[in-house]
Amino acid sequence: EVQLVESGGGLVKPGGSLTLSCETSGFMFSAYSMNWVRQAPGKGPEWVASITNSGREIYYADAVEGRFIIARDNGKNSLSLQMDRLGAEDTGVYYCARSYGSGSFIGLFDPWGQGVLVSVSS
Amino acid sequence: DIQLTQSPSTLSASVGDSVTLTCRASQSIGRRLAWYQQKPGKPPKVVIYEASNLESGAPSTFSGSGSGTDFTLTISSLQPDDFANYFCQQYQTYSWTFGQGTKVEMK
Repeated sequence: EVQLVESGGGLVKPGGSLTLSCETSGFMFSAYSMNWVRQAPGKGPEWVASITNSGREIYYADAVEGRFIIARDNGKNSLSLQMDRLGAEDTGVYYCARSYGSGSFIGLFDPWGQGVLVSVSS
Repeated sequence: DIQLTQSPSTLSASVGDSVTLTCRASQSIGRRLAWYQQKPGKPPKVVIYEASNLESGAPSTFSGSGSGTDFTLTISSLQPDDFANYFCQQYQTYSWTFGQGTKVEMK
């Protein structure tokens, strides 16, 4: 069974930093691109960042470019998201999601983890 | 970025009804569109991909159609488990984007 388990969320003050982790199991992690997707309360999901299976290609949404860093450790089957200079607009549930496949399916996300809440407030 | 507009925002229906949700893209995305179902406190789950392909395990009462800029998700006979939020998502062009959602609620 494929499992994605996020951790590291919490309450942080504006301007602060947080690092999220995603531990995975049940599939060949090194064969898949991985992603972070977030969802603000009552809103639709918003893609945040993606990293290809080798880690050679990385993409960020404009809203987080320069503040967030996505990384992976294929030896530990894990994904991370380092978040700096956080603002209220970054509040939401952050999901780790596997890409459905390769090629044109890189931007299709399935499955997702259960998510972790990040709250940015003073 | 490609914008996705879903309608209606809320749809009230009864068990057994047939309902149709719409998603319009701001530019052509071919058939690179997915529909996700999300229930409260749970992550989204793919039900349709490539505009009309039923995801393994999704009920056969779900169907998708469309190409280019206009897409629909039809649930032919609503079941109690189908009341949820539905989001469309384009994966034609990064950065990948989602619609704002349609809530299917019980009438």
